Amino acid sequence: QTVVTQEPSVTVSPGGTVTLTCASNSGPVTSGHYPNWFQQKPGQAPRALIYSTNNKHSWTPARFSGSLLGGKAALTLSDVQPEDEAEYYCLLYFGAYVFGTGTRVTVL
Amino acid sequence: QVQLVQSGAEVKEPGASVKLSCKTSGYPFTSYMTHWVRQAPGQGLEWMGIINPINGDTVYAPRFQGRVTLTRDTSTSTVYMELSSLRSEDTALYYCARESAFRFDFWGQGALVAVS
Repeated sequence: QTVVTQEPSVTVSPGGTVTLTCASNSGPVTSGHYPNWFQQKPGQAPRALIYSTNNKHSWTPARFSGSLLGGKAALTLSDVQPEDEAEYYCLLYFGAYVFGTGTRVTVL
Repeated sequence: QVQLVQSGAEVKEPGASVKLSCKTSGYPFTSYMTHWVRQAPGQGLEWMGIINPINGDTVYAPRFQGRVTLTRDTSTSTVYMELSSLRSEDTALYYCARESAFRFDFWGQGALVAVS
């Protein structure tokens, strides 16, 4: 069974930078897993941020960026704003899709 | 504008089935796949399955295989998700989401299913 793991929680100061990662127990994450990233705030549906590793949607703030880092998918939040406090999920493709376990980002 | 509008909340008894709808508009229905994702209270997102609107082909997550059925009605641009043999652990918010070429973008508002 494929398991996709993310950091449970991170804390970042306003204006700071943080990188969230997304790892698979079946081997390195590559562009062929077409990583997508989503942001979810309490009581809201998920909002798409990044697709196919590093592509932004028209609504994605420039401070969000996606990449591959050391065999994992990564989401970097730069110049973090208070409104970035949320849960973040990655999604990987293995023929079917699997969501990551999610990372709670606290801005403090 | 692109919209995915889901049906309302449902309360079901254990062992029953539930069928949710996701009515799409604002884009060519057959140009995008529709996925279903669920989220149990206080838990993470869980991918359930995908339907190809052109031919109705489906792929389901292994843990839902045999219990979930996705169908579509191209005349109304609507996708349906039926989950059978409900148990308390199926209590969750169920979302539909649009995808094309591995690019997920728009989501429905979610529909609560309570099994009790």
